[in-house]
Amino acid sequence: AQKVTQAQTEISVVEKEDVTLDCVYETRDTTYYLFWYKQPPSGELVFLIRRNSFDEQNEISGRYSWNFQKSTSSFNFTITASQVVDSAVYFCAFMDSNYQLIWGAGTKLIIKP
Amino acid sequence: AAGVIQSPRHLIKEKRETATLKCYPIPRHDTVYWYQQGPGQDPQFLISFYEKMQSDKGSIPDRFSAQQFSDYHSELNMSSLELGDSALYFCASSPRGSGANVLTFGAGSRLTVL
Repeated sequence: AQKVTQAQTEISVVEKEDVTLDCVYETRDTTYYLFWYKQPPSGELVFLIRRNSFDEQNEISGRYSWNFQKSTSSFNFTITASQVVDSAVYFCAFMDSNYQLIWGAGTKLIIKP
Repeated sequence: AAGVIQSPRHLIKEKRETATLKCYPIPRHDTVYWYQQGPGQDPQFLISFYEKMQSDKGSIPDRFSAQQFSDYHSELNMSSLELGDSALYFCASSPRGSGANVLTFGAGSRLTVL
């Protein structure tokens, strides 16, 4: 069965520190998609990135970067020089070939000024 | 750019009442998904529609029903509301026909059942 594990329930760092949010998934599918969504305190779900299973290139977008490693079934997310506005719950999600989204439990990130 | 529009944003109901949530997908998105997110939980898939037909069903209670209309908007109807139905309800849309598979979520409708 497909599963997404975000082992870190809550992370608290001081502003300007780098922080990595872990995501590990389980699947037997060869074709799938991985996502990260941000949920700020206001509640909406904000799309951050999608990666398909055939593209293991790491991606950088400003202070955000993602490391996709099929060998370890991980899709980790790093925020460099964190800011208070990065405080949110971050969800990693897996989409199988039937377009079902399976969510991790989320990691609550607290950035202290 | 147009986003997914959900209404109402907030709704307060009493137990055993009925509630209807509406979702307007991004233009040309033919697939709509409904998710329920309880306090401190990850979103749980309820149901999805593709081209106005139900395509998948998740953990949607029998008291809930949904449909997608000819203009692709969708409505989630909830009857005999229970305290446990208090949650944030998200609608998402995607251009599934094109295979893009990126779900764009609405801002959510927060339902409080008293």
